[in-house]
Amino acid sequence: GAGVSQSPSNKVTEKGKDVELRCDPISGHTALYWYRQSLGQGLEFLIYFQGNSAPDKSGLPSDRFSAERTGGSVSTLTIQRTQQEDSAVYLCASSLESGRVSEQFFGPGTRLTVL
Amino acid sequence: AQSVTQLDSHVSVSEGTPVLLRCNYSSSYSPSLFWYVQHPNKGLQLLLKYTSAATLVKGINGFEAEFKKSETSFHLTKPSAHMSDAAEYFCVVRPYNAGNMLTFGGGTRLMVKP
Repeated sequence: GAGVSQSPSNKVTEKGKDVELRCDPISGHTALYWYRQSLGQGLEFLIYFQGNSAPDKSGLPSDRFSAERTGGSVSTLTIQRTQQEDSAVYLCASSLESGRVSEQFFGPGTRLTVL
Repeated sequence: AQSVTQLDSHVSVSEGTPVLLRCNYSSSYSPSLFWYVQHPNKGLQLLLKYTSAATLVKGINGFEAEFKKSETSFHLTKPSAHMSDAAEYFCVVRPYNAGNMLTFGGGTRLMVKP
């Protein structure tokens, strides 16, 4: 079956603009995660959704970052007033459940470049 | 708080020789531990995971890792490297009480020489 997909694969934007990144998880996966991979910080957890529960936003770096998950499926990560330090690869993952041993399947990522 | 340290940022081996990628973790509670691989321009793929069952874990593509609680280590090994193993490898920890957050190590880039 299809894996996790993300769009766009690459996004170049100007400082100060807003961007939206999309994630389509694997069908039937109830848990969805966003991570950021950057040169200086490695791979960082951003936010986690599980079913209809309130998301775990503990990893979001600032209030310019927000995410939604509509209908328990597709998720959108929004970055407002982008800064150059937001340049990174944004990775989405999904898993069947939220158990600590359940495997997270990762998408190919969206490479964001802020000029 | 939990953390993961990958002791080598780069490892270079010759094809056919053993691979050792080192990982040490710190966690207040019994963790789940994972190794992921990332090939260029590809998504992260799970190699193997430790979940408090057998301490020697076998994964895909001939990789295995041994959980050593006394040393807080979870090193990744493979008896014989293949050119296709060249990639970046991440050691990952999820502590028992940390919900669903994965904490990633800094990564080790494995280079395989012919």
